[in-house]
Amino acid sequence: AQKVTQAQTEISVVEKEDVTLDCVYETRDTTYYLFWYKQPPSGELVFLIRRNSFDEQNEISGRYSWNFQKSTSSFNFTITASQVVDSAVYFCALSGNQAGTALIFGKGTTLSVSS
Amino acid sequence: GAGVSQTPSNKVTEKGKYVELRCDPISGHTALYWYRQSLGQGPEFLIYFQGTGAADDSGLPNDRFFAVRPEGSVSTLKIQRTERGDSAVYLCASSLTHSGANVLTFGAGSRLTVL
Repeated sequence: AQKVTQAQTEISVVEKEDVTLDCVYETRDTTYYLFWYKQPPSGELVFLIRRNSFDEQNEISGRYSWNFQKSTSSFNFTITASQVVDSAVYFCALSGNQAGTALIFGKGTTLSVSS
Repeated sequence: GAGVSQTPSNKVTEKGKYVELRCDPISGHTALYWYRQSLGQGPEFLIYFQGTGAADDSGLPNDRFFAVRPEGSVSTLKIQRTERGDSAVYLCASSLTHSGANVLTFGAGSRLTVL
């Protein structure tokens, strides 16, 4: 069975601090995909990134970076120099490569950035 | 359309009533998904369609829940004899095809409140 665990329920930081959101996953598939979505207060889920299981290169996009480590089954997300607009709920998600596999979400981490 | 459209955005009903929630996916997307998100939780998979057929309905909680997609585009989630525990945000998403690699684009959701 597939599972995504986001142990951090809520994180509060002050603007300009760096923050890392943890994600640990479980799967028996050899090919799988990991995602991060952002859900701002408006409620609509916004796609941030997708990684496949064969690509362990870390990725940086502006103030966002992602660290994928198969050895620890983790796909962590770091926001550098956080801003108030980063306040949202962030979800890590996992899908397999087999037909019928749906995207499975973690419970999410609520990030609050204060000025 | 440009995005995934869901109607109504808010629905308040009384226990025992019948409810329909509508999803209009991105034009050309053959895969359509329904998720349910309860307060403080991540989206929970309900059902997905590839074309007109329900390819996986393993997430539907019981037989009061049913979904259709008769022409392979718009989908309707139907809930009979609603219960207070059905109160949640119902999210619809679509993707070009069904594949673990595909990014799901989500709608803004339909918030259902059962009194």
